[in-house]
Amino acid sequence: AQTVTQSQPEMSVQEAETVTLSCTYDTSESDYYLFWYKQPPSRQMILVIRQEAYKQQNATENRFSVNFQKAAKSFSLKISDSQLGDAAMYFCAYRSEFTGGGNKLTFGTGTQLKVEL
Amino acid sequence: DTGVSQDPRHKITKRGQNVTFRCDPISEHNRLYWYRQTLGQGPEFLTYFQNEAQLEKSRLLSDRFSAERPKGSFSTLEIQRTEQGDSAMYLCASSLALRDTQYFGPGTRLTVL
Repeated sequence: AQTVTQSQPEMSVQEAETVTLSCTYDTSESDYYLFWYKQPPSRQMILVIRQEAYKQQNATENRFSVNFQKAAKSFSLKISDSQLGDAAMYFCAYRSEFTGGGNKLTFGTGTQLKVEL
Repeated sequence: DTGVSQDPRHKITKRGQNVTFRCDPISEHNRLYWYRQTLGQGPEFLTYFQNEAQLEKSRLLSDRFSAERPKGSFSTLEIQRTEQGDSAMYLCASSLALRDTQYFGPGTRLTVL
């Protein structure tokens, strides 16, 4: 079974600064997707960024980028020029590409990001 | 697209009562997922539908839980004889195809007294 570990329960960042959230995972599969989801307080979870394991190039979406290290099974999220609206719980998630896996997501325990003025 | 919707948003019930939640996926999304999220944890997979067929169920889904998607559109999740340990946020997500992104609804927060 796959597991996802987020070892930082809370992180803080000053507005306009850069912060990196860590995620490691364990799997015996070679084909999979990794995701970062954002869950603001009392609001629904939204996708921030996704990475296909077969792609060596790190995904980027505007101020959000990842550092994907497949051999180390590491998938960190970098948020540049942090904004107050970035404050939320961030979840790292894994999805198998094995069709028998049903496409379900396996989540980490989350990192609460606080953005300070 | 209006997004994934869930009803009710909050439910308070007494132990032993039955509750039912509804999820309306994004139109034309044929895959629908239910997850449960307890305080301080990430969501955990419960079950998955492709159209009206329930293809996978987690071990977390005890006999007291049942999910349906009768016409391949909306889905219901029923919990019978609720227990305090059932208190959680129940999330629904949908996707267009097998490998597509899952879009989440706002969730139903269940409190069992």
